[in-house]
Amino acid sequence: GQQVMQIPQYQHVQEGEDFTTYCNSSTTLSNIQWYKQRPGGHPVFLIQLVKSGEVKKQKRLTFQFGEAKKNSSLHITATQTTDVGTYFCAGLRSGGSNYKLTFGKGTLLTVNP
Amino acid sequence: DGGITQSPKYLFRKEGQNVTLSCEQNLNHDAMYWYRQDPGQGLRLIYYSQIVNDFQKGDIAEGYSVSREKKESFPLTVTSAQKNPTAFYLCASNSGLSVTEAFFGQGTRLTVV
Repeated sequence: GQQVMQIPQYQHVQEGEDFTTYCNSSTTLSNIQWYKQRPGGHPVFLIQLVKSGEVKKQKRLTFQFGEAKKNSSLHITATQTTDVGTYFCAGLRSGGSNYKLTFGKGTLLTVNP
Repeated sequence: DGGITQSPKYLFRKEGQNVTLSCEQNLNHDAMYWYRQDPGQGLRLIYYSQIVNDFQKGDIAEGYSVSREKKESFPLTVTSAQKNPTAFYLCASNSGLSVTEAFFGQGTRLTVV
């Protein structure tokens, strides 16, 4: 079945440093979504990427979708303590069910003030 | 307020007992999902439903059962056949008309003793 691999599993940074998490799929994706889960909370949608090579920005967050639509990344510039949480990517397989989101294992980001 | 509600937030059960987790949404979403979250494992799909009276097994359906008698409701039963039921369970929904973000409930933390 479809697998979505996400690295690193953990990342600890000093406040102000940058952070990147990477997502790779074993199959071509029709789209990819990113979610953030704060400690003790539930995942909250951040963004969706659909087009090959797409880049989207949300303030200090930059999301990219690879040309082959099999990989994606989330980059945070100048991390803040409010960025702490687990970041998940979730992909929909191209040609597959429109409903079956497959999540990566997530990257837990901790920020030292 | 529109949203997706899971209850209860915490649940304790004795080993060998079945237990049902509630999930209700008033977002008029067609699709609903159950995920299980364990430390370091990300979100693993248990069951999903695209339409009333229909549901599909996810990646880890063994030991679980669901029903979708109403559009708003998608209860999950953790049966005594589930070998390791202690976990955080998340319910989600999305519109399904096109690929859209998933909205998550607050989650139910089930502990089996």
